[in-house]
Amino acid sequence: AQSVTQLDSQVPVFEEAPVELRCNYSSSVSVYLFWYVQYPNQGLQLLLKYLSGSTLVKGINGFEAEFNKSQTSFHLRKPSVHISDTAEYFCAVSDFGAGNMLTFGGGTRLMVKP
Amino acid sequence: DTGVSQNPRHKITKRGQNVTFRCDPISEHNRLYWYRQTLGQGPEFLTYFQNEAQLEKSRLLSDRFSAERPKGSFSTLEIQRTEQGDSAMYLCASSSGQGWTEAFFGQGTRLTVV
Repeated sequence: AQSVTQLDSQVPVFEEAPVELRCNYSSSVSVYLFWYVQYPNQGLQLLLKYLSGSTLVKGINGFEAEFNKSQTSFHLRKPSVHISDTAEYFCAVSDFGAGNMLTFGGGTRLMVKP
Repeated sequence: DTGVSQNPRHKITKRGQNVTFRCDPISEHNRLYWYRQTLGQGPEFLTYFQNEAQLEKSRLLSDRFSAERPKGSFSTLEIQRTEQGDSAMYLCASSSGQGWTEAFFGQGTRLTVV
């Protein structure tokens, strides 16, 4: 069984400040890792993914995340946020060969203030 | 292609009634997934299809929930004898190919049971 913990339910930050959204997971097998973003009244959109290779992955809209196997973490970062980044962010895992079924964390609401 | 389409977008029903939701995946996507998202939580996997075959249904929440994909194209999710606890957003996603491929999500159907 897998689980995902997003340690912060809400993260307020001022525009142009850096931000880190934390994600920890547990799994007995190797996993793929993802971050999704959900804007109000819209579906989930993939921000970035880690499948293999370099542990630092870059995604859309200037976001990046680093896979740390020893700490079972996959934190999301952005060096300078914009008002338009205000949204709900979800970390998710999927184990190999599981038909791409995703296990999501509870989400972190990023609130960017002017 | 307009992406994954879900209908209706909103459904209000009385407790005890049956409801059915429809999902039209992206053309030629052979995998289709259903998730449920309750307020303030991340999406929770329910079931998935590869073509018309339902390969995982053990996560359906109770025997009141059922899903079909009769011709390997659109899918329906039915909830019988609805309860207030069924109130949630029901999300559909589709993906293509073998191995890992990105799943694209629809905007969801919001169910309110009164």
